[in-house]
Amino acid sequence: QQPVQSPQAVILREGEDAVINCSSSKALYSVHWYRQKHGEAPVFLMILLKGGEQKGHEKISASFNEKKQQSSLYLTASQLSYSGTYFCGTANQAGTALIFGKGTTLSVSS
Amino acid sequence: KAGVTQTPRYLIKTRGQQVTLSCSPISGHRSVSWYQQTPGQGLQFLFEYFSETQRNKGNFPGRFSGRQFSNSRSEMNVSTLELGDSALYLCASSLTPGRNTEAFFGQGTRLTVV
Repeated sequence: QQPVQSPQAVILREGEDAVINCSSSKALYSVHWYRQKHGEAPVFLMILLKGGEQKGHEKISASFNEKKQQSSLYLTASQLSYSGTYFCGTANQAGTALIFGKGTTLSVSS
Repeated sequence: KAGVTQTPRYLIKTRGQQVTLSCSPISGHRSVSWYQQTPGQGLQFLFEYFSETQRNKGNFPGRFSGRQFSNSRSEMNVSTLELGDSALYLCASSLTPGRNTEAFFGQGTRLTVV
């Protein structure tokens, strides 16, 4: 039930854009996005709930396609501080646990 | 407001031994989840507790167990340690089970089995 993230790694220069995708083989109840910098704890970015509700930081945007069981995280005009590993977590039903993908490593250079 | 506290931060154990890791959630948070993080595998779900009840369990052998106390603090135990148990163990707390709400992660306990 682990969601699949793509790509596995992205290398960008400052100011460039990136899209990170997350897909599940089962119907999704919610999708969560977290970022983990090297040696630090994962930090919450956004939750997307079935039905369209979103909670998260204003500077981050994401989409949730319930029919396709997919979510995408959009990182625009990237900054050095965007570097890290991005994890998507999915819950299939209201009572199930949050299961994370293997992560996408983003490297932004100047 | 204090964050999620995990103790100890680092641990070295020998194969066959057992270990107990502790997690103190943010004050007021009643849900605690545990994850194992290894290179290339992401965050593997271990357990989820809410109000002292285990609500979900991941696909790990019975050597991995956990519990939650009335003050929401949680412990996980690994018995008969194997080399493959070496990992960063992360705990996350949230007000309610994390599928609807933001989860806050602790810094983790780095377990090395030799």
